[in-house]
Amino acid sequence: NAGVTQTPKFRVLKTGQSMTLLCAQDMNHEYMYWYRQDPGMGLRLIHYSVGEGTTAKGEVPDGYNVSRLKKQNFLLGLESAAPSQTSVYFCASSYLARIYEQYFGPGTRLTVT
Amino acid sequence: EDQVTQSPEALRLQEGESSSLNCSYTVSGLRGLFWYRQDPGKGPEFLFTLYSAGEEKEKERLKATLTKKESFLHITAPKPEDSATYLCAVQAGNAGNMLTFGGGTRLMVKP
Repeated sequence: NAGVTQTPKFRVLKTGQSMTLLCAQDMNHEYMYWYRQDPGMGLRLIHYSVGEGTTAKGEVPDGYNVSRLKKQNFLLGLESAAPSQTSVYFCASSYLARIYEQYFGPGTRLTVT
Repeated sequence: EDQVTQSPEALRLQEGESSSLNCSYTVSGLRGLFWYRQDPGKGPEFLFTLYSAGEEKEKERLKATLTKKESFLHITAPKPEDSATYLCAVQAGNAGNMLTFGGGTRLMVKP
């Protein structure tokens, strides 16, 4: 039981490049989330999904897109990276009835130069 | 706008020196307040859920309490392995499926 996994762990991009972060969970959770964590800002929700094929915007969705084609996977895309998107990105998942008990992945450290 | 403020930002304790971390919140209709622990280089890990003023939860050396405006995480006789960042989050009545997190308190316990 791996829990929540994220790939890659680290990535450096140049301004304007694109990339996709992959999140996978093996707990059969309905809900999945993408957060970014910046010093002094805490965790901020980017997008989330309440089930396969459905996504919704969080607090800071601009510049990001997501897809959830399979229940166990949640992808976060950056179409044209900007230095302001330098951050640590966390994926999380939870059961529908316990959205407060989120299980987090190990994070992806992204640097945009 | 929902707001969660944690204080202090950082706290240094000697092993065995008890203290408290604070989480104050301003939300529209609190549905729940939650504490997480985050170790360096890792994702947060769920600790406690509190739903109503007066409620308390305990786990080993940690005890979380809730009032109408704030929550405290009391740490009794901490050990070095309690060193971590502690995050507070709230679910507001009008926030649907989203949690709002505070900035965290970084706790360092020296032997």
